[in-house]
Amino acid sequence: EPEVTQTPSHQVTQMGQEVILRCVPISNHLYFYWYRQILGQKVEFLVSFYNNEISEKSEIFDDQFSVERPDGSNFTLKIRSTKLEDSAMYFCASSEGRWSSYNEQFFGPGTRLTVL
Amino acid sequence: AQKITQTQPGMFVQEKEAVTLDCTYDTSDPSYGLFWYKQPSSGEMIFLIYQGSYDQQNATEGRYSLNFQKARKSANLVISASQLGDSAMYFCAMREGGGGTASKLTFGTGTRLQVTL
Repeated sequence: EPEVTQTPSHQVTQMGQEVILRCVPISNHLYFYWYRQILGQKVEFLVSFYNNEISEKSEIFDDQFSVERPDGSNFTLKIRSTKLEDSAMYFCASSEGRWSSYNEQFFGPGTRLTVL
Repeated sequence: AQKITQTQPGMFVQEKEAVTLDCTYDTSDPSYGLFWYKQPSSGEMIFLIYQGSYDQQNATEGRYSLNFQKARKSANLVISASQLGDSAMYFCAMREGGGGTASKLTFGTGTRLQVTL
């Protein structure tokens, strides 16, 4: 069964460093998303991406964040200068986007980012 | 106002019993979808069940069913015949707008379910 994959599973970085979180969405999916979950809290939307551009972003997704689809398979989230409060689990998700479907979002296993 | 409210931070249920996890939502969009996800201690998000705002019947998927009461804006998850493996965090989420869009999911705060012997 096709699945969303994410690498790395765990990333430890120093405050102020840049990190890139990688995702491979399901191959025939058109919509891509990043969410984050601070430990013990709810899952929060960061950004959605379609047709090589951002569809929507939350107020969390400030200038320190960027997303890219550098090739036909990868979808990346970059945090330019990490802060302690960026420590969280980051989930990538993808969906088909067909009008006739309920457009379930399939989530990857997550990358746990720890900023020291 | 919260778009998704889960009022039960924690629930206990005995093995083989049924349990209902509550979820209420708030939207003015006539087209929306409601989702339930399970998050075990390993951290991944597992899709369980979906209910569309125009669906006439309550959704069912195996041991999971969704008690959808549109007028009350509630979408409670019912797990029948609970198993030890059902112990996890459960999140209710809503997508506003139609399925063919990149609409985000808005999540509730979750309910931690513990299944006991």
